[in-house]
Amino acid sequence: EDQVTQSPEALRLQEGESSSLNCSYTVSGLRGLFWYRQDPGKGPEFLFTLYSAGEEKEKERLKATLTKKESFLHITAPKPEDSATYLCAVQGGGSQGNLIFGKGTKLSVKP
Amino acid sequence: NAGVTQTPKFQVLKTGQSMTLQCAQDMNHNSMYWYRQDPGMGLRLIYYSASEGTTDKGEVPNGYNVSRLNKREFSLRLESAAPSQTSVYFCASSLHPSTAYEQYFGPGTRLTVT
Repeated sequence: EDQVTQSPEALRLQEGESSSLNCSYTVSGLRGLFWYRQDPGKGPEFLFTLYSAGEEKEKERLKATLTKKESFLHITAPKPEDSATYLCAVQGGGSQGNLIFGKGTKLSVKP
Repeated sequence: NAGVTQTPKFQVLKTGQSMTLQCAQDMNHNSMYWYRQDPGMGLRLIYYSASEGTTDKGEVPNGYNVSRLNKREFSLRLESAAPSQTSVYFCASSLHPSTAYEQYFGPGTRLTVT
């Protein structure tokens, strides 16, 4: 059964304090691993897709990496506006595009 | 482009009432999805439509029906609402079902069943 586990559930950082969020996954034939950002009261916003182990993608202060068992979302020198819930999802080889989501990591960045 | 739009934004129903949630996308995507999001549970797939004319059950389909009206529109119907269906409902779309294309989400419908 495809499964995604995110840790920690919540993370509090000071502005400028870099850290990483973890996404561990079990999936048959990974087609893609996705990172989303979700602000309170809004729909998830797409950030990255990673397809194979060793792949990395960056956007502003965010960098996503992928291994065969997990993905990390590294946040460098975060700002208060980076506060949100970050969701990880996988698409397995047998799916019709449907994603399996983790429960998310709620990030708070204090000024 | 509006992306993915959903109506209504908020709804309160009484147990046993019915309603239809509407979703439309203007990105010419082939696939559309309905998810529900509950505290501590994450996003769970209710139904999806890989392409126009097809629909399939997801992880939590009981109590729901869907209609892929055309390539743009995908509706979710609650025939007899129950308090367990209190949730936030998100519609999403993607270009193609069997390749790892990202999904784009709408703003959500917040449903309360009393």
